[in-house]
Amino acid sequence: NAGVTQTPKFQVLKTGQSMTLQCAQDMNHNSMYWYRQDPGMGLRLIYYSASEGTTDKGEVPNGYNVSRLNKREFSLRLESAAPSQTSVYFCASSEVRRETQYFGPGTRLLVL
Amino acid sequence: DQQVKQNSPSLSVQEGRISILNCDYTNSMFDYFLWYKKYPAEGPTFLISISSIKDKNEDGRFTVFLNKSAKHLSLHIVPSQPGDSAVYFCAARGDPDGAQKLVFGQGTRLTINP
Repeated sequence: NAGVTQTPKFQVLKTGQSMTLQCAQDMNHNSMYWYRQDPGMGLRLIYYSASEGTTDKGEVPNGYNVSRLNKREFSLRLESAAPSQTSVYFCASSEVRRETQYFGPGTRLLVL
Repeated sequence: DQQVKQNSPSLSVQEGRISILNCDYTNSMFDYFLWYKKYPAEGPTFLISISSIKDKNEDGRFTVFLNKSAKHLSLHIVPSQPGDSAVYFCAARGDPDGAQKLVFGQGTRLTINP
């Protein structure tokens, strides 16, 4: 039981490049989330998926897109990376109507 | 507009003493509060939570207090241990029927000195 897994662990991109961050959970959770963590800002919600087939914007969605591929997987795509997207990205999941979210280990992204 | 604030970026405490981490919030609709602990290069892990209908919740060395009138919560760790050195985030939930979106504070880095 791996919980929440994220790939890659670390990535360097040039401005304008695109990439997809992958997230999978094996806890049969309905809800999944993408956050970014920046110094002094805490964790900010980018997008979330309350259930398979639905996605909604969070606090900071600009420059990102998401896909809820199935119940297990929730990917985050940067179409044209910008230096402002340099951050640590965390994926999380939770059971429906349950408050506790379980986090993956994070993806550290550097955009040059 | 920061709805959840942790005004102390860092805190240093002697091993064996009490650590008190504070968190303030502005949205009176928040109905559930959580504390997460984060070690370097790892994801946050759930520590303890409290519903807005309670004013205290205890789990071993960890106790969370909620003062709704002051919109303030605190996490007490007694006694503090070196393994407690980490960044602590408080979080609040504002939509009980929705997707359980959480709003996080900025985090407080706790260092326990031997």
